[in-house]
Amino acid sequence: KQEVTQIPAALSVPEGENLVLNCSFTDSAIYNLQWFRQDPGKGLTSLLLIQSSQREQTSGRLNASLDKSSGRSTLYIAASQPGDSATYLCAVKSGGPETSGSRLTFGEGTQLTVNP
Amino acid sequence: DGGITQSPKYLFRKEGQNVTLSCEQNLNHDAMYWYRQDPGQGLRLIYYSQIVNDFQKGDIAEGYSVSREKKESFPLTVTSAQKNPTAFYLCASSRTGTGGAGSYEQYFGPGTRLTVT
Repeated sequence: KQEVTQIPAALSVPEGENLVLNCSFTDSAIYNLQWFRQDPGKGLTSLLLIQSSQREQTSGRLNASLDKSSGRSTLYIAASQPGDSATYLCAVKSGGPETSGSRLTFGEGTQLTVNP
Repeated sequence: DGGITQSPKYLFRKEGQNVTLSCEQNLNHDAMYWYRQDPGQGLRLIYYSQIVNDFQKGDIAEGYSVSREKKESFPLTVTSAQKNPTAFYLCASSRTGTGGAGSYEQYFGPGTRLTVT
């Protein structure tokens, strides 16, 4: 059974700092890994998706890397801003044939606070 | 605007009553999903559907039921058999297909917060 762990559970940083969020998963047979952002009381917003064959993806100040063999992904946020304050969730897609049955397994998230 | 809508945003029910949560998407996605989120926990899959008139149980299907009569709609019923129904419920959708279908992103709705007293 796939298990996803995110460390740290909470992080507080001053504005402008570069930071790294970590995600680890137990079964390396994944199809992809997705990073999401969730604001309090809201749904999830997809940030980045890394295919199993890729090593990293970038979007603006965000960079996500994937090391499938070691079961790890990191989300790097450059020059953090107060608007980045949210919970960041990673999820892996695995299990079953690729066209059916594969589902997302979520970590518990990292709650990020960027202080002005 | 394309997206996923969930209604209502807040829902209150008495214990012992069934309640149905709505999820509609206009993204032309084949697959739809229901997740439950509890405080301090990640999302857990309740049910998912890859195609109209077909759906599968997720990890925590007991006490829930779904239907998929239309591609755009995937309502979730929380029955009185669900022992701890108070939670935040999220609906999602994605494309499917062959040749990398498992790689498609999931898009989420805004969620429905259900409180049962």
